Amino acid sequence: GQNIDQPTEMTATEGAIVQINCTYQTSGFNGLFWYQQHAGEAPTFLSYNVLDGLEEKGRFSSFLSRSKGYSYLLLKELQMKDSASYLCAVLDSNYQLIWGAGTKLIIKP
Amino acid sequence: GAVVSQHPSRVICKSGTSVKIECRSLDFQATTMFWYRQFPKKSLMLMATSNEGSKATYEQGVEKDKFLINHASLTLSTLTVTSAHPEDSSFYICSASDGDVHEQYFGPGTRLTVT
Repeated sequence: GQNIDQPTEMTATEGAIVQINCTYQTSGFNGLFWYQQHAGEAPTFLSYNVLDGLEEKGRFSSFLSRSKGYSYLLLKELQMKDSASYLCAVLDSNYQLIWGAGTKLIIKP
Repeated sequence: GAVVSQHPSRVICKSGTSVKIECRSLDFQATTMFWYRQFPKKSLMLMATSNEGSKATYEQGVEKDKFLINHASLTLSTLTVTSAHPEDSSFYICSASDGDVHEQYFGPGTRLTVT
């Protein structure tokens, strides 16, 4: 079966750094996405990785290791507005998105 | 960037009635639209994929006669929840793609409450 695992909830302090991990087992791989979703809103795109390595985009970076079936989203200089759920999703061999359950990130002052 | 709208944003209906949710791509042609539902604190669950001008492809376990999907144009898809029941209460989200499988643009979602 296809499976995406990420922690249910994480807590971090404003101004700090947090890393949200995602591991996956899917039938094929055509890329991995990270989305941010605030409560009651639709997901917004953060990043897309299809090759191994680190992609940096401002305060957010995303890393992928295809051999390990592993990715992480790194958030730096945390702000209160970063409190949200972060969803990991993998595009499988059928080009269908397989979604993780999301990680709720709580930022404390 | 590409914009997708959904209407209504919130709807409350009585059990047994039908509700229609619209999903529009405002500045691009959406050859494919996706309908998801999401329960609180749960991941998005793909309900169906629709391509313009053809019948939607439903995921296993999703009743096509209950969740009617129409994708009549390149900018509009509709989801009709027929004979709604309280267990259909959920957050329904559409997304649209212009053919690039790596890009889906999400609508703002519709909160459906069935009383």
